Amino acid sequence: GAVVSQHPSRVICKSGTSVKIECRSLDFQATTMFWYRQFPKQSLMLMATSNEGSKATYEQGVEKDKFLINHASLTLSTLTVTSAHPEDSSFYICSARDRLWGSTGELFFGEGSRLTVL
Amino acid sequence: SQQGEEDPQALSIQEGENATMNCSYKTSINNLQWYRQNSGRGLVHLILIRSNEREKHSGRLRVTLDTSKKSSSLLITASRAADTASYFCATDAWGSGTYKYIFGTGTRLKVLA
Repeated sequence: GAVVSQHPSRVICKSGTSVKIECRSLDFQATTMFWYRQFPKQSLMLMATSNEGSKATYEQGVEKDKFLINHASLTLSTLTVTSAHPEDSSFYICSARDRLWGSTGELFFGEGSRLTVL
Repeated sequence: SQQGEEDPQALSIQEGENATMNCSYKTSINNLQWYRQNSGRGLVHLILIRSNEREKHSGRLRVTLDTSKKSSSLLITASRAADTASYFCATDAWGSGTYKYIFGTGTRLKVLA
């Protein structure tokens, strides 16, 4: 099946620093990627929709200046948590949809990145 | 919130028994998908059912969809300890120029050996 690689899988940083998380589709092209956030024992909350070559669209309540998303190519989207604070500690998961299957196809997920801000 | 609801929130059964999880959603859909998540991992796609389908099977999985009630169920038959995981339904919603997926609250399944 299709593979989405997410890196890093774990990151610990000091408060005030910025952290970049990469999401790559390894064997397919993804016009659209999605970034989710998940707190322990809770569901995935959609943060933003990332479209290749254009600005990301953020869900209500998600600060676009805090969570910078760049989708520079058909296989790579990045999420940068800027000036991270302890409340940003969470599990961040990206997903991608194969452009060949149109806009309602199956989502392929990365393994997630656990961010801990001290 | 667009988020769907799943019940039960948690389910504990013995190996060999069947497990049924339910998902209710709020808006009309094109399709509904079920995903599985092992603790601390990404999600694995299980099955997709389209809005014009009522039932779908995949191995030990059976999914039903009732669009009039805006609900779906996932049945895992003859459960195994390895089925222990969280299960989420996801429905598509149009927004931001594309279909995006909104996840339900999830059911944590524990299968006891």
